[in-house]
Amino acid sequence: GAVVSQHPSRVICKSGTSVKIECRSLDFQATTMFWYRQFPKQSLMLMATSNEGSKATYEQGVEKDKFLINHASLTLSTLTVTSAHPEDSSFYICSARAITKGAHPNYGYTFGSGTRLTVV
Amino acid sequence: DAKTTQPNSMESNEEEPVHLPCNHSTISGTDYIHWYRQLPSQGPEYVIHGLTSNVNNRMASLAIAEDRKSSTLILHRATLRDAAVYYCIPNTGGFKTIFGAGTRLFVKA
Repeated sequence: GAVVSQHPSRVICKSGTSVKIECRSLDFQATTMFWYRQFPKQSLMLMATSNEGSKATYEQGVEKDKFLINHASLTLSTLTVTSAHPEDSSFYICSARAITKGAHPNYGYTFGSGTRLTVV
Repeated sequence: DAKTTQPNSMESNEEEPVHLPCNHSTISGTDYIHWYRQLPSQGPEYVIHGLTSNVNNRMASLAIAEDRKSSTLILHRATLRDAAVYYCIPNTGGFKTIFGAGTRLFVKA
């Protein structure tokens, strides 16, 4: 089935540094990828939608200069948290949608395993 | 996006069936009903989806009301590994997936 690989699974960084999170679709092409963040005991909150070869669309309240998204190919999207601060500590999750109906077994979305970011 | 209402939490005994309800009264005619679940410290995983007819797969069954304003996810025999947050999400393929609060399922041994 469709698999999305997300790395790293966990990262600790110092305040002020940048962190890059990768999301790869392993056995299908993803024209659209989504990035979410999740705080403890809360639901997933959509941050942005990235389409291959174009600029990402950010949800209201999400700083595009702080959360840089690159979707350079049909199998890779990256989220870079720039100048990270402790309040950016969260669980970041990507998801991907297959390029066509027939290419995806459930016409739904496949999620990465998440990245736990801790900023100290 | 169609609004969904799910119980905050439910409890089940191991080996017993669990019925997780979801109301989605504003669903559009083209929205599929997707169910995902999220185990602790993991990304969500697909469970099942349907449009109008009831659906079965190896993980669960999905019963969809005739008017499509509600659906029920059925786990036939709950195990401890089924303890998770379950989300029902009406979605027309190609658009962003918005998560509600979901139902946290507790399974007792």
